Amino acid sequence: GENVEQHPSTLSVQEGDSAVIKCTYSDSASNYFPWYKQELGKGPQLIIDIRSNVGEKKDQRIAVTLNKTAKHFSLHITETQPEDSAVYFCAARKNKLIFGTGTRLQVFP
Amino acid sequence: DTGVSQNPRHKITKRGQNVTFRCDPISEHNRLYWYRQTLGQGPEFLTYFQNEAQLEKSRLLSDRFSAERPKGSFSTLEIQRTEQGDSAMYLCASSLGASSGGSSSYNEQFFGPGTRLTVL
Repeated sequence: GENVEQHPSTLSVQEGDSAVIKCTYSDSASNYFPWYKQELGKGPQLIIDIRSNVGEKKDQRIAVTLNKTAKHFSLHITETQPEDSAVYFCAARKNKLIFGTGTRLQVFP
Repeated sequence: DTGVSQNPRHKITKRGQNVTFRCDPISEHNRLYWYRQTLGQGPEFLTYFQNEAQLEKSRLLSDRFSAERPKGSFSTLEIQRTEQGDSAMYLCASSLGASSGGSSSYNEQFFGPGTRLTVL
């Protein structure tokens, strides 16, 4: 069945450093790849997304890259800040969203 | 507040009882989704509606689960004869979508805060 793998499960960085989270999807027909940030006690919030006809997208400190051939996509956060600390989920969609297992990011001041 | 709202935020029940959750989507959104999220996992798709029509149901949605969206606005998710394995966060999301059939829309799904269910 459809599957999305996400690594690492936890990531600790110093404030100002970069953070990279990687995902792999199984269904080659997936055509939409959003990233969500979830803070404690809240629902997931979309932070950036990319469609299958684009290889890279950037929004201020956040960027996402997509390699369709390898079925990989990654989230890059530069100049991390303590408020970036949260759980991040990738997802892939053909007909419905399939989520990864999440990455707990901790940014230490 | 114009976001997705869910009620109640927390529900504690005894095994065997029935529970019902409500989701109010963003008013102009015609698509509504239900997900289940267990600790340390990503949300898992349960079902979705386009207007009042339930278009897809996951195999996770056993016959003890039923969802409705009678007027194409709010939705309810009912779990009958709850089991301890039903304990989870139940998330609702809404989005704009194609009003007719065909390929899926890429429109963003906005999530509510979730209802945390604990079955004792």
